[in-house]
Amino acid sequence: QVQLAQSGPEVKKPGASVKVSCKASGYTFTSYYLHWVRQAPGQGLEWMGVINPNSGSTNYAQKLQGRVTMTRDTSTSTLYMELSSLRSEDTAVYYCARGEELVFFDNWGQGTLVTVSS
Amino acid sequence: SYELTQPPSVSVSPGQTARITCSGDALPKKYVYWYQQKPGQAPVLVIYKDNKRPPGIPERFSGSSSGTEVTLTISGVQAEDEADYHCQSADRDNTYSVFGAGTKVTVL
Repeated sequence: QVQLAQSGPEVKKPGASVKVSCKASGYTFTSYYLHWVRQAPGQGLEWMGVINPNSGSTNYAQKLQGRVTMTRDTSTSTLYMELSSLRSEDTAVYYCARGEELVFFDNWGQGTLVTVSS
Repeated sequence: SYELTQPPSVSVSPGQTARITCSGDALPKKYVYWYQQKPGQAPVLVIYKDNKRPPGIPERFSGSSSGTEVTLTISGVQAEDEADYHCQSADRDNTYSVFGAGTKVTVL
């Protein structure tokens, strides 16, 4: 079955960077887009961006442009999301999700809690 | 930026019908997707392309659309349906994805 296994929780200081991974299995990695979605405590879902695992092309939410970088390693079927210049407002659970180019997220990772605190 | 609007909360008694709306200017030309999220868990897709159910989703979940508003209906609500429900679509120019703020469904 399709599985998206994410890396463990992170605690970072303001101004630092964090890199979260998401290892896909159970399907052909290059056949579906992969997205990152985050959820701050008690808040709704926020789409961060998408990567085409086949070409490596990306599309980021305007709000995060310049701070977020999504990459993939096709040899290990792993997706990465790096967020820089962290601030307290970036404290959230970060999810990877498989889907179409912008919608239809049919499988999600278990989530990774990133805490930004001095 | 484009926004989808959902009511913050809906309360319903067991066995009754819950209706959750999602409105947006682009919805007459864009599909909506609905996700159920229980506390501490990842979201689960329950409706796609306005009114289609993925495998394994109970028949009591259905979707409909009318103009700029789409509705997720849960018929014969059960205690296990208590959760947050998020709608999702794309902006008019297909440049980014957007979620509504989510609706908390409480089963009384």
